[in-house]
Amino acid sequence: SYELTQPPSVSVSPGQTATISCSGHKLGDTYFSWYQQRPGQSPVLVIYQNDKRPSQIFERFSGSNSGNTATLTISGTQAVDEAHYYCQAWDSRTWVFGGGTKLTVL
Amino acid sequence: EVMMVESGGGLVQPGGSLRLSCAASGFRFISYWMSWVRQAPGKGLEWLADIKQDGSEKFYVDSVRGRFTISRDNAKNSLYLQMNNLGVEDAAVYYCARLSGGQLGEKDYYFDYWGQGALVTVSS
Repeated sequence: SYELTQPPSVSVSPGQTATISCSGHKLGDTYFSWYQQRPGQSPVLVIYQNDKRPSQIFERFSGSNSGNTATLTISGTQAVDEAHYYCQAWDSRTWVFGGGTKLTVL
Repeated sequence: EVMMVESGGGLVQPGGSLRLSCAASGFRFISYWMSWVRQAPGKGLEWLADIKQDGSEKFYVDSVRGRFTISRDNAKNSLYLQMNNLGVEDAAVYYCARLSGGQLGEKDYYFDYWGQGALVTVSS
C-alpha cells in the first residue's frame, strides 16, 4: 500500500520558518494537500494541489512538490500555528494521509 | 457558510452496529463527492469511504470494505455511514468531509471542508 512519511515532530522559534516534509514514491505523479489540526478541533485545509492556498488561509503558508518530497512551509511562524499537520495524496483510488507532524512553536 | 454536522455516534459493544449521519448545508450538496474519514484516539487520519454525487459509485478502504456502507440522500442533503460488526479497532472520531477538485482527474482531489466529528466508542 502507498505510504507517506512525515517527521513526527518539528520545532521552530516564533518568527522563524518551519518546514514539514512528506515523502513517498511516485510523488511527482500526484498532487498533495496539507491539513492543520489543532487539539480538539477538526482538520482544516491549508494547501491543496501542491501549492494552492484557500482564500481564508494566511499567506505565510506555502507548499511545494519536488521529486520524492512534498513540503509545507510556514514563514514567520506564530504561536497560533502550533498544531498537527497532515499531508495527503491519492493513489490507486485510495486517499492516503501521512502520519502527521506535531509543530511546536517554542 | 459551508457546514457539516455529524450525529449518531456513541457507545456500542463489539460486534454491534451504528449508523452515522452528516447533515450538510451552505453548498449545493448534489454537486460534490463526499467522504468519511476517521481518527483513532491519539492517532492520525484515515480515509474510509467516498461516494459519487448521484450515489452510483462508492469506494472503500480495505479495512472497512464489507462491514461499512456509505450512502447519501440528496433530497435531505445528508450523508450516512452504516457500520456493522464493529471492533475495538473501529473506535475513533468519524468526520464527514467534502471532496473538491478533480479538474485534472482523481489525483488532484482534496478535502476542503470537514464536520466537527462524531465519537464512536467500542467497548463491552
